[in-house]
Amino acid sequence: QKEVEQDPGPLSVPEGAIVSLNCTYSNSAFQYFMWYRQYSRKGPELLMYTYSSGNKEDGRFTAQVDKSSKYISLFIRDSQPSDSATYLCAMYRGSYIPTFGRGTSLIVHP
Amino acid sequence: ETGVTQTPRHLVMGMTNKKSLKCEQHLGHNAMYWYKQSAKKPLELMFVYSLEERVENNSVPSRFSPECPNSSHLFLHLHTLQPEDSALYLCASSQDQDSYYEQYFGPGTRLTVT
Repeated sequence: QKEVEQDPGPLSVPEGAIVSLNCTYSNSAFQYFMWYRQYSRKGPELLMYTYSSGNKEDGRFTAQVDKSSKYISLFIRDSQPSDSATYLCAMYRGSYIPTFGRGTSLIVHP
Repeated sequence: ETGVTQTPRHLVMGMTNKKSLKCEQHLGHNAMYWYKQSAKKPLELMFVYSLEERVENNSVPSRFSPECPNSSHLFLHLHTLQPEDSALYLCASSQDQDSYYEQYFGPGTRLTVT
């Protein structure tokens, strides 16, 4: 079993939809949970990070961590074509070696 | 220039060549990182530098040799690479070693080994 599982997609949604992106993990020692957005031919861009459990909101983006279920989510409200990208989840155990998911490709069509 | 820059953006090299990748950060950060992103595989951390000292080598083969001459510049020297080393090599920086969870990435160098 991989430490972090993330469905590669692609996930195709119409503009304006609410998007839910998810990762599951197996190691209960993970403490920091991050979401990155990566456009084609660009480096990853940190969207949000959460320490331990709970929710965090930033504009149209909401990150959720459920440590009891070992499940994290990123919700995007009112999705736009400019949100089309690959979304990577990453986790840290408290040292600087991250474990990344493989990324989910999101396509928002007008 | 702003953020994290990387040169070259694309590189093709033979297995017997020696080449170097360059990264420069303009954020005043003190920690820098090299990552490898292969097709269909998760992003993998290679090296971590904090205040020009290497603090992590994540089991990387010796054909990859990092160098950090100052806190703004990071190099990755490559020699006798294998075709499976073809990947996107990403540089990142963070304010310091303890802020590892908040990293800023460059655009990457797309490396092809022939």
